[in-house]
Amino acid sequence: DAKTTQPNSMESNEEEPVHLPCNHSTISGTDYIHWYRQLPSQGPEYVIHGLTSNVNNRMASLAIAEDRKSSTLILHRATLRDAAVYYCILRDLKYGNKLVFGAGTILRVKS
Amino acid sequence: EAGVAQSPRYKIIEKRQSVAFWCNPISGHATLYWYQQILGQGPKLLIQFQNNGVVDDSQLPKDRFSAERLKGVDSTLKIQPAKLEDSAVYLCASSYGLEAPGANVLTFGAGSRLTVL
Repeated sequence: DAKTTQPNSMESNEEEPVHLPCNHSTISGTDYIHWYRQLPSQGPEYVIHGLTSNVNNRMASLAIAEDRKSSTLILHRATLRDAAVYYCILRDLKYGNKLVFGAGTILRVKS
Repeated sequence: EAGVAQSPRYKIIEKRQSVAFWCNPISGHATLYWYQQILGQGPKLLIQFQNNGVVDDSQLPKDRFSAERLKGVDSTLKIQPAKLEDSAVYLCASSYGLEAPGANVLTFGAGSRLTVL
């Protein structure tokens, strides 16, 4: 499974945008970039995914570098409820549709 | 739609005892996953089912862990005998079949927290 590198932790102020980076220099052409987050005492939840183009949904935006070796999850206005561990995962549907999690980034949001 | 149901939410046992966790996936989801999450780490995949067949169990410690999904719906994960290092949260997730639209998204349950003393 291709690997990702994320900062251990980040801090943000409430109501401000948050940019969570992810490096995946060994990404292959068929790897999708997925983001999940895990709130305290809950299971992970899906945030967004993409292949080559930038993606937007109601939760966040995903910006993918042109060479696909890095991506950024953007939370447009952080709230206290966005405090969670954010996981960036590469996923190749050819290999069983499974998710292989790393350690993720702990996001702290200050009021 | 109802989420992924797991039980029990919490379980405390002594080492060498046995324990079983149950999972009911989202209706219509053909793929079911069991993950183990040790405190401070990301979840680790233990086993993946497609309907009632095993797709991947390469990370399952088969000498003590077993899992089944007999009718392609509910699943049970068993540990026997438990060790101290099995203390973790056991997460169940489900998704549509590999070829179905929306196959990309996994929905997780809240997990079952196991403490082995």
